[in-house]
Amino acid sequence: GENVEQHPSTLSVQEGDSAVIKCTYSDSASNYFPWYKQELGKRPQLIIDIRSNVGEKKDQRIAVTLNKTAKHFSLHITETQPEDSAVYFCAATHSGGGADGLTFGKGTHLIIQP
Amino acid sequence: DAGVTQSPTHLIKTRGQQVTLRCSPKSGHDTVSWYQQALGQGPQFIFQYYEEEERQRGNFPDRFSGHQFPNYSSELNVNALLLGDSALYLCASSPGAGVPEQYFGPGTRLTVT
Repeated sequence: GENVEQHPSTLSVQEGDSAVIKCTYSDSASNYFPWYKQELGKRPQLIIDIRSNVGEKKDQRIAVTLNKTAKHFSLHITETQPEDSAVYFCAATHSGGGADGLTFGKGTHLIIQP
Repeated sequence: DAGVTQSPTHLIKTRGQQVTLRCSPKSGHDTVSWYQQALGQGPQFIFQYYEEEERQRGNFPDRFSGHQFPNYSSELNVNALLLGDSALYLCASSPGAGVPEQYFGPGTRLTVT
């Protein structure tokens, strides 16, 4: 089955700086890679996703890049703000194969220092 | 437009008991997935339901079972509860038909004592 590794487990950055979270996956059949943000006591929120036919996707201050050859994908947050503090999870699945249960990484606790 | 809803919010059960958790998907969604999230961990996939059938299952024992109703809502049942079943149980819905985006409900916090 799929295995997703996520690094770092904790990331502390100064407000206004950029943050990068990296994930690797094992199953070359995986073709859908979402990122979720989970604030304390709340539900995971889908913030951005990328499919395997695309190398990069941007939405305002967040972007995701995908390297299919190396089987890794990354989340980039620019101009970080206090409200970006949360736990971020990457995930992977093979969509279109009849079912698409997500395999998640262990999460990155992002701390924005004022 | 209501998002994914789950009930109850919190639940305390004793080892060996059985529990049923409920989920209503986002309007227009027909596929429901269940995940278990232990403290400090990422969600782990339990199973996915589509057209009232379990179409994919993660690495969970048969004590975990589910059901999907004609209105697309779903139940997760756990028998013979163990202390290790204490976790946040999340339901996610998606539009189905090969559209993979999944939207999560607020979860049910299960504590087994």
